Amino acid sequence: KAGVTQTPRYLIKTRGQQVTLSCSPISGHRSVSWYQQTPGQGLQFLFEYFSETQRNKGNFPGRFSGRQFSNSRSEMNVSTLELGDSALYLCASSRSRTGVETQYFGPGTRLLVL
Amino acid sequence: ELKVEQNPLFLSMQEGKNYTIYCNYSTTSDRLYWYRQDPGKSLESLFVLLSNGAVKQEGRLMASLDTKARLSTLHITAAVHDLSATYFCAVGRFGNEKLTFGTGTRLTIIP
Repeated sequence: KAGVTQTPRYLIKTRGQQVTLSCSPISGHRSVSWYQQTPGQGLQFLFEYFSETQRNKGNFPGRFSGRQFSNSRSEMNVSTLELGDSALYLCASSRSRTGVETQYFGPGTRLLVL
Repeated sequence: ELKVEQNPLFLSMQEGKNYTIYCNYSTTSDRLYWYRQDPGKSLESLFVLLSNGAVKQEGRLMASLDTKARLSTLHITAAVHDLSATYFCAVGRFGNEKLTFGTGTRLTIIP
């Protein structure tokens, strides 16, 4: 069974630009969560989508947004990029929202903002 | 606000030795995960612990959960070089997919 896939794997952008990252969950998984990983802040929760609805949101500014499509694929968007947005962005999928199942992580998108 | 602390942050150990990584969390939680991350790679799920006293083992790794003490441990037995990685614990609640991660423990196994 294919794992979680993320595209693109690497991105270089400049300050002020915007970026869209994509995540395809494992087949049959309906919950998709996004995390930001940086050396300074570690792994931080961005948001979670289930059935095309945002169910939970972390403490990030409104420049960070996301959505989920009917096939459970998800995108996250960061507008007006700042240097501090350079990070590894990971998405994770799970089958449901019971919270008892493993979340499987994708390979991540490494974003560098210059 | 839920806080998750791991210690140690860095650990160098010789092959063949045993050691334990500790994960403390600040408020009541329902589930605890352990993940492994190799340099430049994503997170690999190791264990999911759902109840007080839960113990799970896979190869040289064993994880346990004490919900009363808000403590989980990851015990490494007779370490081998392949176990070198960063290990994260993460805590969550039922009905909510949000995970709060610990700082990670970078483990280096020295031959």
